Order: sequence, then C-alpha cells, then structure tokens
Amino acid sequence: GIQVEQSPPDLILQEGANSTLRCNFSDSVNNLQWFHQNPWGQLINLFYIPSGTKQNGRLSATTVATERYSLLYISSSQTTDSGVYFCAVAIQAGTALIFGKGTTLSVSS
Amino acid sequence: GAVVSQHPSWVICKSGTSVKIECRSLDFQATTMFWYRQFPKQSLMLMATSNEGSKATYEQGVEKDKFLINHASLTLSTLTVTSAHPEDSSFYICSAPSEANEKLFFGSGTQLSVL
Repeated sequence: GIQVEQSPPDLILQEGANSTLRCNFSDSVNNLQWFHQNPWGQLINLFYIPSGTKQNGRLSATTVATERYSLLYISSSQTTDSGVYFCAVAIQAGTALIFGKGTTLSVSS
Repeated sequence: GAVVSQHPSWVICKSGTSVKIECRSLDFQATTMFWYRQFPKQSLMLMATSNEGSKATYEQGVEKDKFLINHASLTLSTLTVTSAHPEDSSFYICSAPSEANEKLFFGSGTQLSVL
C-alpha cells in the first residue's frame, strides 16, 4: 500500500517563529489533507490539497503532486498551534485516507 | 459545511461488556463511512470500511466478529465493540467522504476505556 512519511517527528518552537512540515508519499494520490489534532483528540481539517497551493491565515500548504510531497507552513506560531499535525492521503476519490505518523509541534511562550 | 457527528464522546465500561458507537452524517448522505482507531501517541489506523446496505470490509488484523459494523441508512453507521477487554481501550474515530467524493469529514472521536 501507499506509504506516507512526515518530518520532522517533533518540533519545538518559540512563539513567533515560522516552521515547515513535510509529507512525502509513495504513489500518485487523488486526495491529500492536512489535519491538526488538538489535545482533546479532535481532528481539525486544515487543508484539502491534492495539488497546488492554498493559504488560510497564518497557515499555507503546497502539494507538488508530480514529486509526491506536500508542505505545511506555519508562520508567526502561537502556543495554540501546539499539537499533532497529520498528513493523510488517498489514491482514489472517496476512499479511506492513509495517515502519516504525524509531527508533534510544541510552541512555548 | 458538512458535519459528522459521533457519539458518545467517551465511555467507560467493564471488561466483557459491549459498547456501541454511532456515527452520523449531518446534512449529507454517506454510502461509505470509515472507522479508525488511534492508540496513545500513535497515528490513526484504518479499521474498516462501512458500506450502506452491504457488509463492511475489514483491514488485515481487525477481528470482524469483535468489531461489528452496521450501516443501516445513508446517514448512520455504528461500531459495536463486543466483549470489550482492556486492550480494546483506544480512541475510535469515524469519517465520511463528501458527496462529491473529495475530502473526508471526521467525527469528534470516542475515547473507550475498558476496566
């Protein structure tokens, strides 16, 4: 099956710093989503981005489908950005997402 | 936007009892729903695919007789953990694809603790 690798596994930042999270995948995908899992376990959908670039406030994401990777950018990080960020992909539309192992982000004030 | 509602949010039960978790798609229909399990400090692992009107398909290593899935309508799928044991304690999350079959929407999850 498809492999999803996220890096780095852990990231510690000071408030106000910028960061880039990476997601590599081993096959062509029809769906790619980035999530933030909060301390209560809830998955917050950040981006649906099988290709191209999107921005939402301090967050932006880019997926280069031909090279099989996606990047999540967090600018001016805040303590509320702390948590686990997951990249998940699906080969076909409407099928289950396969999750990477996540990046655990800790932002301190 | 589309919402997936999951209940209960948390449940504590005694070993040997059964627990039912509900997953509802609000304001949209879902012929397919997905059930995931997440152990502490790990990623989400797909357990099974729930299909409306037909049998669920299970991932390798998931016991279909232990994790009963019913998808009786276009908006409701249920996962029943039968004869739960402490090793079944985990976070269970359901999801459903949008009607355009683009992105997946996720429920808020159920934390199951088996004593």
